[in-house]
Amino acid sequence: DTGVSQNPRHKITKRGQNVTFRCDPISEHNRLYWYRQTLGQGPEFLTYFQNEAQLEKSRLLSDRFSAERPKGSFSTLEIQRTEQGDSAMYLCASSLQLNTEAFFGQGTRLTVV
Amino acid sequence: GENVEQHPSTLSVQEGDSAVIKCTYSDSASNYFPWYKQELGKGPQLIIDIRSNVGEKKDQRIAVTLNKTAKHFSLHITETQPEDSAVYFCAVLSGGSNYKLTFGKGTLLTVNP
Repeated sequence: DTGVSQNPRHKITKRGQNVTFRCDPISEHNRLYWYRQTLGQGPEFLTYFQNEAQLEKSRLLSDRFSAERPKGSFSTLEIQRTEQGDSAMYLCASSLQLNTEAFFGQGTRLTVV
Repeated sequence: GENVEQHPSTLSVQEGDSAVIKCTYSDSASNYFPWYKQELGKGPQLIIDIRSNVGEKKDQRIAVTLNKTAKHFSLHITETQPEDSAVYFCAVLSGGSNYKLTFGKGTLLTVNP
C-alpha cells in the first residue's frame, strides 16, 4: 500500500493523559499536513510541514499540541493533558511541493473519556 | 479567512438519477477546488478537482463546474449507484496559501436502490 498511513486507527484515553499519533506520508511527498475533523464537520487545518520545517500552525493548535517531522519523512502529533474536547478524527495528508493534490490517510479516531 | 458554504447538507436520490452538490467561497483569489468523498470510518478520498483557469472538468460519471465570477463550483454525479453513497466535501485552496485547504461542512448523499 503506497498511500498515507496513520497509526493507530483508534485511541481511547483518559482525560489528562498524553497521546501520540504517527503519520507516514506517500514516500516522494515532501509536504505533510495535519487536519482535525469533528462529527458532522469538514476537516480543519492544524499544521503543515515542508520537509522537516513546520511552516504554519493554526490557532486551533493549542500549547498542548505539538507536531514534529524530524527527518522530513514520517510525522508525529502529540497531545498533552488530553481534554474531552480533543475527541475527534485526526487526519494526515501529504502532497508534492509543486502539485496541490493532497491525499489523506484513514485517520486516527481519538476518544477522551 | 476563507469561508466555504456547501449545500445541501443531505441529498437522497434514486439509483440512476443525477446528484448535484454546490459550494460557494469568499476569497476571489482562490485557485484550486477539490472534491473529496468520505465513507464511514475512512479518510477523505480525492475524487476530482478543478483549477481556476478551467471552467469544467469531467471524469466518467463525475464532473465539476466552476464559476469564478459568482465564486461557486458544483459537483455533478450522473447515473448514481448505491456505492456512491457517502459524505462529499468540497474544499478551496485560498489564494494567499498554496497548501491550506478550507472545507465545506459536507453533504451526505444516499443513493436508494
